[in-house]
Parts: sequence; structure tokens; C-alpha cells
Amino acid sequence: EAQVTQNPRYLITVTGKKLTVTCSQNMNHEYMSWYRQDPGLGLRQIYYSMNVEVTDKGDVPEGYKVSRKEKRNFPLILESPSPNQTSLYFCASSLGQGWTDTQYFGPGTRLTVL
Amino acid sequence: KNEVEQSPQNLTAQEGEFITINCSYSVGISALHWLQQHPGGGIVSLFMLSSGKKKHGRLIATINIQEKHSSLHITASHPRDSAVYICAVSSGRETSGSRLTFGEGTQLTVNP
Repeated sequence: EAQVTQNPRYLITVTGKKLTVTCSQNMNHEYMSWYRQDPGLGLRQIYYSMNVEVTDKGDVPEGYKVSRKEKRNFPLILESPSPNQTSLYFCASSLGQGWTDTQYFGPGTRLTVL
Repeated sequence: KNEVEQSPQNLTAQEGEFITINCSYSVGISALHWLQQHPGGGIVSLFMLSSGKKKHGRLIATINIQEKHSSLHITASHPRDSAVYICAVSSGRETSGSRLTFGEGTQLTVNP
């Protein structure tokens, strides 16, 4: 089944404790992206990647890192999480550049930073 | 002012009604996406369009590039259509990929 998976689905952590949210897709998509969703602000793009080893900042990249060492994986790293990073996070992928192809979303990761 | 504005923010309808959700944007775009977010949180892409009109089952999406406006219509609405509907626009950049900018979403509730 074609899908985007994220792990963990739920995470409660404390300020400053490094964490990684994994994202994997099995559709051989080139384009992958991370978003966060907050009440009243909607979805906002954090980082995106156009292919292996090619990444770029979205609208809200501060406090986040990403890497794209393999085509299928695009982990989101929070080196020192803070409470303002409490949010619902989505990973997405598409076959080509994001503006020409359908986006496929993962199930979401609900992160709480205490 | 947000680059992508949706209206209404909340919409309650009775089963069977015709529903329209609007999206206006202020930037040049390459494509416009309509997404559906289920109560459980999952997001599904409904349409991607850059001109004209698309139809899938009871859903119809239209876009007017000159007016920078798109509409999502649901015919013969059903309680299972209850969800948040999100409009997003793609503004492509030749050398560095694209970005998606999202509206805040329209919460649709269809009562039986």
C-alpha cells in the first residue's frame, strides 16, 4: 500500500531533550516536506527536500533540522525542543515538485514539549 | 493579511444541501490544492488545479486565475463530509523548489 508513515504518532518530552520524528514514504517520491499545524495559524511549512541531499527552508525553520540521505526517509530533528514547538506535525511527499503534483500526507505526530 | 483567505471559517449544513467553500489568494501561483482533514487529523488531497474545473464524485473544484479565487462545492452533502477543508497555493521557484501556503481551513459540519 502506498503510504507515508511517521513515528512516533504521539510524543511528550521535556525542554532541551533532543528528539527525532521519522518520516518514510514507499512511493519513490522525490519531493518531501514537513509542516506544523497550530490552532489559528493553520499549516505552515518547516522544511522541504527536492531530492537526496537537497533541502531548503520553509516558512518556520527555526529550531528544526532535517536531512535527506535516502530518497524514502526525511527525518525532522529538534536539537533542543522548547514549549513553543508543541504542535501537530505532518510529513508529506509528492512525485515531483510540490506545485505540480498531488501531496500525500502522513498521519501526523502530536508533540508536546513541557 | 494572509496570502490565502478562506470563507466561511465555520459552516453547518443539513444533509442534502449544496455547499460552497471559498478561497482567495493574493500571490502568483502555479497551482491550488484542496485538502480534507478528517476529525482524526489525517489529511487527504482532494484536488490540485491550475485552471478551470475538476470534478470527483460529489465534489467540484473551480479556479479563476484572473480573480485569484477558487471554490470547492459539495453536492448532496452527507454527514461523512464533516471535516476541515483546507485551501493551499503553490508558488513555484525555478531554482529552489516550491512552497505551499495554506489557508486556515473551513470547519464543515453536516447534520443528518
